Amino acid sequence: DTAVSQTPKYLVTQMGNDKSIKCEQNLGHDTMYWYKQDSKKFLKIMFSYNNKELIINETVPNRFSPKSPDKAHLNLHINSLELGDSAVYFCASSQEPSGLSYNEQFFGPGTRLTVL
Amino acid sequence: AQSVTQLGSHVSVSEGALVLLRCNYSSSVPPYLFWYVQYPNQGLQLLLKYTSAATLVKGINGFEAEFKKSETSFHLTKPSAHMSDAAEYFCAVSGYNQGGKLIFGQGTELSVKP
Repeated sequence: DTAVSQTPKYLVTQMGNDKSIKCEQNLGHDTMYWYKQDSKKFLKIMFSYNNKELIINETVPNRFSPKSPDKAHLNLHINSLELGDSAVYFCASSQEPSGLSYNEQFFGPGTRLTVL
Repeated sequence: AQSVTQLGSHVSVSEGALVLLRCNYSSSVPPYLFWYVQYPNQGLQLLLKYTSAATLVKGINGFEAEFKKSETSFHLTKPSAHMSDAAEYFCAVSGYNQGGKLIFGQGTELSVKP
């Protein structure tokens, strides 16, 4: 069983469209994250949720809206896609009691988004 | 504030040679430090982490790293490179009560020559 899964793996779309990426973890973790990896492979955190509550929101345009229907799922919806949104988006999860921040994060395989 | 600098965006070694990937950090709180590896077209996998216990940390696949507070460094080493070690390596820092927020370095691509 895949620990952290993402769908779709590839997403090609036109500028201006709205798209969603889904993430599920079966590890029983309480914290989930979205990271963006740009074309130079630089990784930056976008959001994190702990028990469905938004904990981290890193200066991300409000076109990006995460949603966590339950502890095991964290989806990312992107409105009005722009060329600069092209990147690989990684979902991750960890067990972070009280936000201690020292536990391993488990990453999904990534979703490669290409905006034309 | 926290930041990570990885010296060298690309390192090339011969199979069997020592691997040394450099990482320096800056942190206003006691840091937690991590090394992750990313194989082509895959997600990241934890190699090892430092969380204020032993300063010499052993990880998977024969890698280890030493936390040196005086040098603000957390360099990754492996005595003998294997072809399968070719990948992108990321150093990352977090800190107590940071909500799990990882700050990554820019990555170092390791190539292993036969």
